[in-house]
Amino acid sequence: DIQMTQSPSTLSASVGDRVTITCRASQSISTWLAWYQQKPGKAPKLLIYKASTLESGVPSRFSGSGSGTEFALTISSLQPDDFATYYCQQYDSYPGLIFGGGTKVDIK
Amino acid sequence: EVQLVQSGAEVKKPGESLKISCRGSGYIFSAYWIGWVRQMPGKGLEWMGIIYGGDSETTYSPSFQGQVTISADKSISTAYLQWNSLKASDTAVYYCARLRGNCGGGTCYYQLWGQGTLVTVSS
Repeated sequence: DIQMTQSPSTLSASVGDRVTITCRASQSISTWLAWYQQKPGKAPKLLIYKASTLESGVPSRFSGSGSGTEFALTISSLQPDDFATYYCQQYDSYPGLIFGGGTKVDIK
Repeated sequence: EVQLVQSGAEVKKPGESLKISCRGSGYIFSAYWIGWVRQMPGKGLEWMGIIYGGDSETTYSPSFQGQVTISADKSISTAYLQWNSLKASDTAVYYCARLRGNCGGGTCYYQLWGQGTLVTVSS
């Protein structure tokens, strides 16, 4: 099975910082990768799909990049609303739909 | 408004059965796949399985095959997640989510999420 590894597991940052979260797949998944944001007590929210396509309504400060096995989610200027946990998810093939372990972005 | 509305929180004892629901509205239920995702307390997201609203074709994660049953009733735009005998380790929040992409080929992702159902299993 494909394994998804996110790093770091926790990231401390300040408002206005540029933040990058990485996600590594154990084998190539082309660009079949999605990113989600989850706030405490809330359902996850889709941010990016196909590695770099921004979901409608998501602020442009979020961007995704990568292909194959290495991917990144970047927040260009961290806002107070962005403190949350972020998950990557591969959807290359079954038994797919596997999530990474998550990256918590908290306030420095 | 397109939304998924899940049934309310449940408190059950080990060994009891349970069926939770996820009702879709504002879109054609039978044209989309619905997935179930588990989140244990303080932990990450785990995919459990998916079902097609049109014909109830189902694919389970190997980790959950045989542990739960996923079903759907398109006449009432509702998907279900069912346990025959709950364990304490089933305590978690369960999310349903509408998928987008080619789920028949495995290339789909979770586009729209329900609010989650907290299931607590305790003696």
